[in-house]
Amino acid sequence: GQNIDQPTEMTATEGAIVQINCTYQTSGFNGLFWYQQHAGEAPTFLSYNVLDGLEEKGRFSSFLSRSKGYSYLLLKELQMKDSASYLCAPLDSNYQLIWGAGTKLIIKP
Amino acid sequence: GAVVSQHPSRVICKSGTSVKIECRSLDFQATTMFWYRQFPKQSLMLMATSNEGSKATYEQGVEKDKFLINHASLTLSTLTVTSAHPEDSSFYICSARGEFRGGFAYEQYFGPGTRLTVT
Repeated sequence: GQNIDQPTEMTATEGAIVQINCTYQTSGFNGLFWYQQHAGEAPTFLSYNVLDGLEEKGRFSSFLSRSKGYSYLLLKELQMKDSASYLCAPLDSNYQLIWGAGTKLIIKP
Repeated sequence: GAVVSQHPSRVICKSGTSVKIECRSLDFQATTMFWYRQFPKQSLMLMATSNEGSKATYEQGVEKDKFLINHASLTLSTLTVTSAHPEDSSFYICSARGEFRGGFAYEQYFGPGTRLTVT
């Protein structure tokens, strides 16, 4: 079957760095997306990885290891507005996004 | 980035009535549109996938006679919840996929969602 595993909740301090891990098992793989979702709102795109390695984009970076079925999202210089859920979503062989429950990130001052 | 609108943003209806939700891609042609439902503190649940001009493909467990999806053009898809009941109260989100300059292939662009409350 298809499965996404992320921590349910994480807490971090404003200004710090946090890494949100994701392991996945999918039937086929065509890349992996990270989305941010604030409470009561729709998801917004953060990053896309299809090759192994690190993609950096401002305060956010995303890493992928296809052989390990593993990705992480790294958030630096945390701000209060980063409090949200972070969704790891791989694309399977049918180019369908597979969604997990996401990680709720709580930022404390 | 690509913009997807959804209307209405919130709707309250009485049990037994039908509600229509519209999803529009504003600056690109959406060859594929997706409808999701999300209950509080739960993951996005894909309800159906629709391609322009053809019948929607529903996920297992989703009643196609209850959730009517129409994707009549490359910029508009509608979801109609027929004979709504309180258990249908949820956050409904559409997304669209199509060619958009600067976007990734197979990226989904999300609408802002519709909060449905059935009383």
